Amino acid sequence: GDSVTQMEGPVTLSEEAFLTINCTYTATGYPSLFWYVQYPGEGLQLLLKATKADDKGSNKGFEATYRKETTSFHLEKGSVQVSDSAVYFCALSDTGGFKTIFGAGTRLFVKA
Amino acid sequence: EPEVTQTPSHQVTQMGQEVILRCVPISNHLYFYWYRQILGQKVEFLVSFYNNEISEKSEIFDDQFSVERPDGSNFTLKIRSTKLEDSAMYFCASNKGAPQYFGPGTRLTVL
Repeated sequence: GDSVTQMEGPVTLSEEAFLTINCTYTATGYPSLFWYVQYPGEGLQLLLKATKADDKGSNKGFEATYRKETTSFHLEKGSVQVSDSAVYFCALSDTGGFKTIFGAGTRLFVKA
Repeated sequence: EPEVTQTPSHQVTQMGQEVILRCVPISNHLYFYWYRQILGQKVEFLVSFYNNEISEKSEIFDDQFSVERPDGSNFTLKIRSTKLEDSAMYFCASNKGAPQYFGPGTRLTVL
């Protein structure tokens, strides 16, 4: 079945450091790919999405590019802030969006 | 911007009791879902619902669970006889196509 694998955390960075969280997927067909963020004590917020190969999703300085050839959707940010501390989930859904499959989540700590 | 809402935000119950978690999906959405996140673990799919019936369910969604859309706005998840291992955050989601929009979650604590 479809699955998502993302790098284990926690990831600890200093403020203004470069962030990469790796994500790879296995899927039949042409899934849509997402990054969700969960701040402490809160629900899941959609951070960015990409619906087809070579699409780049971006939001709040975060970016991820849908790479079909490497089945990857790595999350990057050039300069992290303390407020970016959260758990980040890579996820996919089928073309119709009828079910979302999540990775295990990567916890990010950003130190001032 | 429209949002998915869930009530209550936190539910505490005794083992063996029935609980009903409530969700109001975004009004023009057609597909509804429940997911579960045990503390510190990944978000797991429970069930999807479309056209007043279950369209898919996971192995977690056994006979103790049921879903209902009792009126035009609410979508509920019922757990008939709660177990300790049902303690988790439960998320409702809705969509018309990708992506799904998630509610803030209900934290269920079974004592």
